[in-house]
Amino acid sequence: AQKVTQAQTEISVVEKEDVTLDCVYETRDTTYYLFWYKQPPSGELVFLIRRNSFDEQNEISGRYSWNFQKSTSSFNFTITASQVVDSAVYFCALRPYGNNRLAFGKGNQVVVIP
Amino acid sequence: DVKVTQSSRYLVKRTGEKVFLECVQDMDHENMFWYRQDPGLGLRLIYFSYDVKMKEKGDIPEGYSVSREKKERFSLILESASTNQTSMYLCASSTTTLNTEAFFGQGTRLTVV
Repeated sequence: AQKVTQAQTEISVVEKEDVTLDCVYETRDTTYYLFWYKQPPSGELVFLIRRNSFDEQNEISGRYSWNFQKSTSSFNFTITASQVVDSAVYFCALRPYGNNRLAFGKGNQVVVIP
Repeated sequence: DVKVTQSSRYLVKRTGEKVFLECVQDMDHENMFWYRQDPGLGLRLIYFSYDVKMKEKGDIPEGYSVSREKKERFSLILESASTNQTSMYLCASSTTTLNTEAFFGQGTRLTVV
């Protein structure tokens, strides 16, 4: 069975501060896919980033960056120079190879204070 | 622009009513999902479908059933609504290609009174 853990429930930051969201996962599969989604107050989940288990290269995309470490089963996500529009719930998700299901963590509520 | 559309944004139903939540996608996706979202519990999978008329139970299927008669439409049915089914319901769709993301609808907030 798959499990995704997001330990922090609510994180408050002042605008322009960086915020890092932790995600730890469990799976027996050697091939899997990891995702981060954003859920703004409007309710619709929006895809942000994706990483394959065989590619541990960390990347930066605009103000978003992620740190994937297979050895510690972690897939952390950082927003640099946060803005008020970043206030949302962020979900980490795991999809094992050969399985159509997405397993989600419980989400992190990020509040950016102007 | 890809779209997953849920028929209602807000719904109020009485205990014991039969409730239908409808979801339509226009991306010709094989997979469709129904999730339930509750504070502190994240998203929990109720049912998913990988083809027309095919379905598989998720983690919390009790009290729910589903129907997929056409590829683009996936319905969630509450046979006899109860107050503990008050929640936000999210529909999603995806292709069978494993490294692609799922697309979500805007959610239906259901209140059972």
